[in-house]
Amino acid sequence: NAGVTQTPKFRILKIGQSMTLQCTQDMNHNYMYWYRQDPGMGLKLIYYSVGAGITDKGEVPNGYNVSRSTTEDFPLRLELAAPSQTSVYFCASSYSNVDYYGYTFGSGTRLTVV
Amino acid sequence: KNQVEQSPQSLIILEGKNCTLQCNYTVSPFSNLRWYKQDTGRGPVSLTIMTFSENTKSNGRYTATLDADTKQSSLHITASQLSDSASYICVVSDRGSTLGRLYFGRGTQLTVWP
Repeated sequence: NAGVTQTPKFRILKIGQSMTLQCTQDMNHNYMYWYRQDPGMGLKLIYYSVGAGITDKGEVPNGYNVSRSTTEDFPLRLELAAPSQTSVYFCASSYSNVDYYGYTFGSGTRLTVV
Repeated sequence: KNQVEQSPQSLIILEGKNCTLQCNYTVSPFSNLRWYKQDTGRGPVSLTIMTFSENTKSNGRYTATLDADTKQSSLHITASQLSDSASYICVVSDRGSTLGRLYFGRGTQLTVWP
């Protein structure tokens, strides 16, 4: 049982480049989330999904896109990378929207845009 | 405005000593409060969760308390170990939406010295 797997672990992008951060979970969780963590700041929700085919914006969605074609996968797309997107990105999943069951987080992707 | 404030921002203690971390929140309506431990370069891992009716919860050497009236929580670590060195994040969930939004504190960076 791998939990939540994120790839890549590290990436350096040039301004204007695009990339996809991959996230997959093997726990059959319906709910999946993308957060970013800036230095010294709390995690901010970018996008979330409540099931395959359903996605919605979080607190800081600008500059990102997501898709959820399967229960397992929830990729995050950066179309035109900007220095402001330099951050650590965490994917998470949960059994339900009732947080009592808790979120399982991936180990993160550290992205630097230069 | 819903916020979660943690103190201190950082803390250094000697191995074997106890410490207490603080969390104050203004999130309303309140659903639950969770403490996460985040090791360097890893995703957060849940330590404890408390709902409105619970005022203390233990997980080994970690004991969390909640005062829902004053909207304060604390995480007490006893007999600290080197492996306790990490960031400890307070996360509060609201009932204001179907998603049950999470509000993250900035974390307390704990360093345990031998």
